[in-house]
Amino acid sequence: GNSVTQMEGPVTLSEEAFLTINCTYTATGYPSLFWYVQYPGEGLQLLLKATKADDKGSNKGFEATYRKETTSFHLEKGSVQVSDSAVYFCALKDGNTGKLIFGQGTTLQVKP
Amino acid sequence: DAGITQSPRYKITETGRQVTLMCHQTWSHSYMFWYRQDLGHGLRLIYYSAAADITDKGEVPDGYVVSRSKTENFPLTLESATRSQTSVYFCASSERTEAFFGQGTRLTVV
Repeated sequence: GNSVTQMEGPVTLSEEAFLTINCTYTATGYPSLFWYVQYPGEGLQLLLKATKADDKGSNKGFEATYRKETTSFHLEKGSVQVSDSAVYFCALKDGNTGKLIFGQGTTLQVKP
Repeated sequence: DAGITQSPRYKITETGRQVTLMCHQTWSHSYMFWYRQDLGHGLRLIYYSAAADITDKGEVPDGYVVSRSKTENFPLTLESATRSQTSVYFCASSERTEAFFGQGTRLTVV
């Protein structure tokens, strides 16, 4: 079945550091891929998405490229801020069933 | 108000009681989902629905029942609550691609 694997957290960085959070997936067919963010005490918000191979999603300085050859969708940001501290979830949506499944989430803490 | 709303936001119930969590969306999205969020497990899919009267199991469906008689509503029922069902529950809806989430229901089973 479909699955999503994220790197273990927590990840602690200093402000302005470079961020990478790894995400790999297993899926049949052609899923859509997403990164969601969850701030403390809140629900999930869409951060970025990619719907086909080689698409790059981007938003608020975050980027991720849909790599079908390595089944990956790694999240990157060139310079993190304290306000980026949150839990980040990688997810895929099965193109056939519409089922949406998530990775385990990665907690990011950015220190001033 | 437009969007997706969950009720109640907080609920404490006793072991063995039946409890229903409500989810309502105003977009007429086809897909709706229920997740539980537990520390160390991320978000796990309980049930999802592709349209009214069509539901399917997710990763952790045992102990839960869903229905979808109307497109906009997708209630989740715990038929006989257990302590292991203490969790934060999120409802979501989507159409073609991304899903939109409610604010969550924090359920405590004592």
